[in-house]
Amino acid sequence: QQQVKQSPQSLIVQKGGISIINCAYENTAFDYFPWYQQFPGKGPALLIAIRPDVSEKKEGRFTISFNKSAKQFSLHIMDSQPGDSATYFCAALGIGGSNYKLTFGKGTLLTVNP
Amino acid sequence: NAGVTQTPKFQVLKTGQSMTLQCAQDMNHEYMSWYRQDPGMGLRLIHYSVGAGITDQGEVPNGYNVSRSTTEDFPLRLLSAAPSQTSVYFCASRGLGSRETQYFGPGTRLLVL
Repeated sequence: QQQVKQSPQSLIVQKGGISIINCAYENTAFDYFPWYQQFPGKGPALLIAIRPDVSEKKEGRFTISFNKSAKQFSLHIMDSQPGDSATYFCAALGIGGSNYKLTFGKGTLLTVNP
Repeated sequence: NAGVTQTPKFQVLKTGQSMTLQCAQDMNHEYMSWYRQDPGMGLRLIHYSVGAGITDQGEVPNGYNVSRSTTEDFPLRLLSAAPSQTSVYFCASRGLGSRETQYFGPGTRLLVL
């Protein structure tokens, strides 16, 4: 049972364009939603995260939009650069008994063409 | 801080062999976990631990054992390697406070022939 669904599986964007990756969740006990970035041959690293009490969080060119009623959140990468080419994972962390384990989406391979 | 370290970086095994993947962290994190990453499957949780002496199974625990004798170390043992265990393995750690960042190691690439 996949608790976090991520789309698309792969994405090709031209330099300067906007990259958008979407995630949807089912478990209403989730209360923390991080995004991880993974470059080839490296481990994933935290990129940006959001709590459900805000609808948007922006850090530089990266923005998370959060829709609590729809149980959806998305990552927007503005002015995409070739250096942003990586795999992106959305994730969710619950409160209470499920707070130990991050649940990951299956990942999106982003390619930014120069 | 070295963060999360993993050894070896790459390993080739024959079917039936056993081995231990090492993981260590120097951030005094209570929570440690092992994932495997396969194409199209994302990151799947194998085992995790919330402190020394406490371990539990994740999503795909079969064929793997773990133990946690210290806060710093969390080794993953393959008892009898199978080709289906060919994968990239990541160790991760985080504090148990709410919404703490999870840090990943650099990974171990395992090939089982």
